[in-house]
Amino acid sequence: GAGVSQSPSNKVTEKGKDVELRCDPISGHTALYWYRQRLGQGLEFLIYFQGNSAPDKSGLPSDRFSAERTGESVSTLTIQRTQQEDSAVYLCASSLRRTSYEQYFGPGTRLTVT
Amino acid sequence: AQTVTQSQPEMSVQEAETVTLSCTYDTSENNYYLFWYKQPPSRQMILVIRQEAYKQQNATENRFSVNFQKAAKSFSLKISDSQLGDTAMYFCAFTTTQGAQKLVFGQGTRLTINP
Repeated sequence: GAGVSQSPSNKVTEKGKDVELRCDPISGHTALYWYRQRLGQGLEFLIYFQGNSAPDKSGLPSDRFSAERTGESVSTLTIQRTQQEDSAVYLCASSLRRTSYEQYFGPGTRLTVT
Repeated sequence: AQTVTQSQPEMSVQEAETVTLSCTYDTSENNYYLFWYKQPPSRQMILVIRQEAYKQQNATENRFSVNFQKAAKSFSLKISDSQLGDTAMYFCAFTTTQGAQKLVFGQGTRLTINP
């Protein structure tokens, strides 16, 4: 079946502009995660959605970052007033939860802020 | 807070050799899961192997196996008969069984398999 998809694959934006990144999880996966991967680094947790519960936003680095998810479908990560330090790969993952602790990752969006 | 440490930034071996990647972690939890993920240049994170902390038996997946030492909080990955396609970044990751179950990652080891 289809895996996790993300769009766009690459995004170049000017400092100060807003960007929106999209994630389509695997159908039926109730949990959705966003991670950030800076160049040469491991992944950092940003935010977690589980069904209709309140999201865990504990990893968001500033109030310029926000994310939404409607039900168990698509999620969007929005970064307002982008800064150069926001340049990174943003990865989305989904999981069945309660039956498996494995997360399945999308290919990521590479964001470059100039 | 949980932390994961990979002390080998880079490793390089010849094709067909065996290589072991190191990982240590720190947690006060008793129930948790450990993973090794592979990230080739395509950026796609691919699950290689996972280990449940309550299982004493080390997990194996074909050429990949782990050495899980719970008391020492160590979780190394052994790749046998290495292949050119194994060239990638390898990340060790940890998650608890409670709460958000977010993955905590190490910094990664860049593995190169030479022909």
